[in-house]
Amino acid sequence: GAVVSQHPSRVICKSGTSVKIECRSLDFQATTMFWYRQFPKKSLMLMATSNEGSKATYEQGVEKDKFLINHASLTLSTLTVTSAHPEDSSFYICSARDRHINYGYTFGSGTRLTVV
Amino acid sequence: AQSVAQPEDQVNVAEGNPLTVKCTYSVSGNPYLFWYVQYPNRGLQFLLKYITGDNLVKGSYGFEAEFNKSQTSFHLKKPSALVSDSALYFCAVRPFNQGGKLIFGQGTELSVKP
Repeated sequence: GAVVSQHPSRVICKSGTSVKIECRSLDFQATTMFWYRQFPKKSLMLMATSNEGSKATYEQGVEKDKFLINHASLTLSTLTVTSAHPEDSSFYICSARDRHINYGYTFGSGTRLTVV
Repeated sequence: AQSVAQPEDQVNVAEGNPLTVKCTYSVSGNPYLFWYVQYPNRGLQFLLKYITGDNLVKGSYGFEAEFNKSQTSFHLKKPSALVSDSALYFCAVRPFNQGGKLIFGQGTELSVKP
C-alpha cells in the first residue's frame, strides 16, 4: 500500500529555534498533503492543506508565519515551526491524499516535538 | 456545521467479547466516512471506509462498520476483541467540496483486558 515517510520521529529543540519536519510519499504522487497537530489523547486538529506547487491553505487560528508549509514536489512536503516556543510542543502528523487510491488517505508516523 | 462525534472517551471490553465503538456524523450531502486506529506515538492506520454501496463495510484486522443513514451513524464493530486491539480509534468524515480534508471525531480509547 501507499507509504508516507515522516521525519524526524522525535525532536527536541531550544526555544527560539526553528524545526523542519519532512513528509515524503514513497510510492505514489501526493498531490495534496494535510498537516495535523495532536495533543495528548486528543483528536487531530487540521493545521493546513498544501497542494503541490501552490501556497498552503491554513485553517482559522493557525499562524502561517509560524508554521511554514512547503509542497515543492509531488513527493515532498515540509512543515517548519519557526521561533519555536514550549507551547508548540506537540505531536505533528502529515497525511497525503493520493488521487490514484480511491478516496485514500495515508498518514505519516508522526513527529513528537518538544521545545525546551 | 459538519462534524463527527464519538460519544465515548473510553470503551472497556474483555478479550473475546464483541466490541462497538460509536460514531455519529453531521454533514451535508452524502458522507464519506472513515475509521482509523492509532497506537501510542504513531500515526494513524486506516481500518475501513464507506463511500457508497453496501451499508456493511468490512475492513482490516477483522473490524467492520455499518453505515446507518437514518441514524447518521457509522459504528465500528468487531465480533471478538483482542488485547492487541487496545488503542485510540478515530472516526472521520470527508465533507463535500472542502478540498478533501478530513474532520475527525474526538477519539475513543479502547481497552481490551485479558
